[in-house]
Amino acid sequence: AQTVTQSQPEMSVQEAETVTLSCTYDTSESDYYLFWYKQPPSRQMILVIRQEAYKQQNATENRFSVNFQKAAKSFSLKISDSQLGDAAMYFCAYRRIPYGGSQGNLIFGKGTKLSVKP
Amino acid sequence: ETGVTQTPRHLVMGMTNKKSLKCEQHLGHNAMYWYKQSAKKPLELMFVYSLEERVENNSVPSRFSPECPNSSHLFLHLHTLQPEDSALYLCASSQSRVNTEAFFGQGTRLTVV
Repeated sequence: AQTVTQSQPEMSVQEAETVTLSCTYDTSESDYYLFWYKQPPSRQMILVIRQEAYKQQNATENRFSVNFQKAAKSFSLKISDSQLGDAAMYFCAYRRIPYGGSQGNLIFGKGTKLSVKP
Repeated sequence: ETGVTQTPRHLVMGMTNKKSLKCEQHLGHNAMYWYKQSAKKPLELMFVYSLEERVENNSVPSRFSPECPNSSHLFLHLHTLQPEDSALYLCASSQSRVNTEAFFGQGTRLTVV
């Protein structure tokens, strides 16, 4: 069974600084998707960034980038130039490629609470 | 705003009550999901609907009863709940059940007293 582990329950960063959130996962699949979702106090889960496992290039979305290490099954999120609005829970998620009638459901980690200090 | 709307935002109910959670999406998606988010636990997938047909039920107790009358609406009917059912219930949708990306609503914070 696939699992997703986020080893940092809480992290803190100074405004304008850079922070990296860790995520590891376990799977026997060779192709899959990885995601980082952000959940602010408003509770709405918002997709931050997505990575396809078959792509070697790390995904980037403005100030957000990932370090995808497939062999190590590691998928960390780097937030550059942190802003107060980045404060939220961040969830790492895995989804295998669904085939036929199977369902590739999202599997989430427990989350990392990020605080941004002014 | 992701296009997925959940009501109510907060709900307090007694263990003998019957209530329903509602989810609506205006994205033209064909798949909808219910997740349970408890403190210090990963999100748990409860139900998956694809084209209004339930395709997955992850061993959820029968006191939770989903309903999908059409591809835009999803309900979660609640009856005789337990205090441990208190949690944030999140609805999500995706273009199809094989699509990579899910869009989430803001959730209903449920407290069972």
